[in-house]
Amino acid sequence: GAGVSQSPSNKVTEKGKDVELRCDPISGHTALYWYRQSLGQGLEFLIYFQGNSAPDKSGLPSDRFSAERTGGSVSTLTIQRTQQEDSAVYLCASSLVGTTDTQYFGPGTRLTVL
Amino acid sequence: GENVEQHPSTLSVQEGDSAVIKCTYSDSASNYFPWYKQELGKRPQLIIDIRSNVGEKKDQRIAVTLNKTAKHFSLHITETQPEDSAVYFCAAHNAGNMLTFGGGTRLMVKP
Repeated sequence: GAGVSQSPSNKVTEKGKDVELRCDPISGHTALYWYRQSLGQGLEFLIYFQGNSAPDKSGLPSDRFSAERTGGSVSTLTIQRTQQEDSAVYLCASSLVGTTDTQYFGPGTRLTVL
Repeated sequence: GENVEQHPSTLSVQEGDSAVIKCTYSDSASNYFPWYKQELGKRPQLIIDIRSNVGEKKDQRIAVTLNKTAKHFSLHITETQPEDSAVYFCAAHNAGNMLTFGGGTRLMVKP
């Protein structure tokens, strides 16, 4: 079946603009995660959705970052008033039920803020 | 919260040699430890995982060991091949219901 997909694959924006990144998880996966990966760095947790529960937003670096998951499927990560330090690859992952299940990653969105 | 440290950050081995990557974690309640491999420009993919009720798990050339007392776990790759070259990430799942990743190890296997 189809894996996790993300769009766009690349996004170049100007400082101060808002961006939206999209994630389509694997069908039937109830858990969805967003991570940020700066060049040559590890995976920084941002936010976690599990079913209909309130999301775990503990990793969001500032109030400029927000995410939603509509209908328990597609998720959108929004970054408002982008800054140059937001430049990174944003990875989405999904798993069947929770955080001890295998996480399947999407290809990522490379965000460049000029 | 959980803190996961991974060493070394880079590792260069000759083809056919073994490679070992080590991780330590801080939360004694952590109970699930996956390892992900990320090839250049690609997405991370799970290669092996271990849960806290076992001490070792093997899958062909890959093995993971877990020492709960010392709070560390290791990835062992035997008979390395050039296609093993990638960045490897360890992670620990804790009672906070979150996976915390290590900083990654860039493994280079020289033919």
